Amino acid sequence: GNSVTQMEGPVTLSEEAFLTINCTYTATGYPSLFWYVQYPGEGLQLLLKATKADDKGSNKGFEATYRKETTSFHLEKGSVQVSDSAVYFCALSANSNYQLIWGAGTKLIIKP
Amino acid sequence: KAGVTQTPRYLIKTRGQQVTLSCSPISGHRSVSWYQQTPGQGLQFLFEYFSETQRNKGNFPGRFSGRQFSNSRSEMNVSTLELGDSALYLCASSLELGKGNEAFFGQGTRLTVV
Repeated sequence: GNSVTQMEGPVTLSEEAFLTINCTYTATGYPSLFWYVQYPGEGLQLLLKATKADDKGSNKGFEATYRKETTSFHLEKGSVQVSDSAVYFCALSANSNYQLIWGAGTKLIIKP
Repeated sequence: KAGVTQTPRYLIKTRGQQVTLSCSPISGHRSVSWYQQTPGQGLQFLFEYFSETQRNKGNFPGRFSGRQFSNSRSEMNVSTLELGDSALYLCASSLELGKGNEAFFGQGTRLTVV
């Protein structure tokens, strides 16, 4: 079946460091891929998405590229800020499956 | 454009009771899906509705049910509450899930069963 695997957290970085959060998936066909972010006490916010191979999603300095050959969708940011501290979820949506399938989430802690 | 609205934000119920949670999607969105979030199990899919039809259901007992109305608003119901049902319940709204469309989430309903 379809699944998403994310790197375990928490990830602790200093401000202005480079961020990578790994995400790999298993799915038949060509799913759409998403990164969501959850701040404490809040719901999930869409960070970025990609709907086909080699697409790059980007938002707020974050980027992720849909790699079909490695079934990956790693999240990157060149210089993190304290305000980026949150939990990040990788998710996929497969055609005609009518649900989002989630990774376990990665807690990101940015220290000033 | 108004976002996804979930009510109530917080609920405290006793074991054995039942509860109904409500979700109003973004105007024009016909797909509503529900997810349970717990520290131990992460995010788990409950069900998805599109134009009043349930198209997919997750692996939850029959105590969990839902419905969607003609205005796309959705409710989920949990009967005979158990302590393990304590969780954040999230509703997501989409033009149509599974077609490359993103889902937008409400703030969630925090259910505590005591």
